[in-house]
Amino acid sequence: QKEVEQNSGPLSVPEGAIASLNCTYSDRGSQSFFWYRQYSGKSPELIMFIYSNGDKEDGRFTAQLNKASQYVSLLIRDSQPSDSATYLCAAARAGGFKTIFGAGTRLFVKA
Amino acid sequence: GAVVSQHPSRVICKSGTSVKIECRSLDFQATTMFWYRQFPKQSLMLMATSNEGSKATYEQGVEKDKFLINHASLTLSTLTVTSAHPEDSSFYICSALSDRGQYNEQFFGPGTRLTVL
Repeated sequence: QKEVEQNSGPLSVPEGAIASLNCTYSDRGSQSFFWYRQYSGKSPELIMFIYSNGDKEDGRFTAQLNKASQYVSLLIRDSQPSDSATYLCAAARAGGFKTIFGAGTRLFVKA
Repeated sequence: GAVVSQHPSRVICKSGTSVKIECRSLDFQATTMFWYRQFPKQSLMLMATSNEGSKATYEQGVEKDKFLINHASLTLSTLTVTSAHPEDSSFYICSALSDRGQYNEQFFGPGTRLTVL
């Protein structure tokens, strides 16, 4: 079992729709969770991190965390073609520095 | 803030040569940096964890004598690919843990694309 699992996609949504990206993790000791965006040929860019159960909103992005279900999600509202990228979910333990990355979900936003 | 640079961004070398890649944290100190490798259409693969002033910790299957890591200061880590071969051609990305971060968020450099002929 992979430690951080994501659907590889591709996930295709029309412009203006909500894109929902999901992630599960196996290590119950994980405390911090991250979403990175990676454009083709580029390095990952941190979008959001979350460490408390519930929702965290930042502009068009909302991260959701449910530690009981070991589930993290990222919602992108009003999706734009420029959001088309691979989204990496990652988890880290408290005090530990090693972050475990999922394989990523490819998102296509159709104009 | 939290900017990480890498140099060079792209390198082409002949088989058997060594290549050094630099990773710098520009506006923060990074006690810990990480080196990843990514093949086309594949996920990030952690190669090693680099700690300032100590030996790097390598992931299983990564040859420490082939991928030499030096983290001599709080803002610089280097990765040297020794005796490079075509199978070493990949996208190498470093990241750094910000000393201002509370939740172990990593900030990535722009990556170095290595092509070994």
